[in-house]
Amino acid sequence: GNSVTQMEGPVTLSEEAFLTINCTYTATGYPSLFWYVQYPGEGLQLLLKATKADDKGSNKGFEATYRKETTSFHLEKGSVQVSDSAVYFCALNSNTGNQFYFGTGTSLTVIP
Amino acid sequence: KAGVTQTPRYLIKTRGQQVTLSCSPISGHRSVSWYQQTPGQGLQFLFEYFSETQRNKGNFPGRFSGRQFSNSRSEMNVSTLELGDSALYLCASSIAGQGRETQYFGPGTRLLVL
Repeated sequence: GNSVTQMEGPVTLSEEAFLTINCTYTATGYPSLFWYVQYPGEGLQLLLKATKADDKGSNKGFEATYRKETTSFHLEKGSVQVSDSAVYFCALNSNTGNQFYFGTGTSLTVIP
Repeated sequence: KAGVTQTPRYLIKTRGQQVTLSCSPISGHRSVSWYQQTPGQGLQFLFEYFSETQRNKGNFPGRFSGRQFSNSRSEMNVSTLELGDSALYLCASSIAGQGRETQYFGPGTRLLVL
């Protein structure tokens, strides 16, 4: 079946620290992989995506590389800002149907 | 291009009542999916509609239902509300409803059942 396992939070970092949020997946078929971000009281915003092995998705300084051999899609940012404080969700959409599978979410707090 | 819109944004209901939530997808998008988000269960898939047909359904009781109109707008209905139905309900749209597509989410409707 399809599932996503995401690093448990919460994560607290100082401004300008390096961020890694781990994400691994299990999928039937060949999925697309996504990172979404959710700010308090809001819906999910697409942060980045990758659709095939070795693709790197990037946006706003965040990056994630689709690693088929390790079934992973870890999110990284070199220098976090207070405004990055939010909940981050890793997700997949397989090629067997238009249904997303989400990780449990990782809450990030960045302190000045 | 306008994003996914959901109405209402907030709702308070009592147990036993029913509720209808509305979602307007991004213009040109034909697939609409619904998700329930709770602190305990996270994000769970409810159902997906494409061309007015339900194509896929998650593991929710029959009290949860939906429909899609010819303009791709969608509604979901929850009958006989229970306390456990309190959640953020998110709607997402995608262009063609094919596997591996990107889904774009609305702001959600927060439902509180008392």
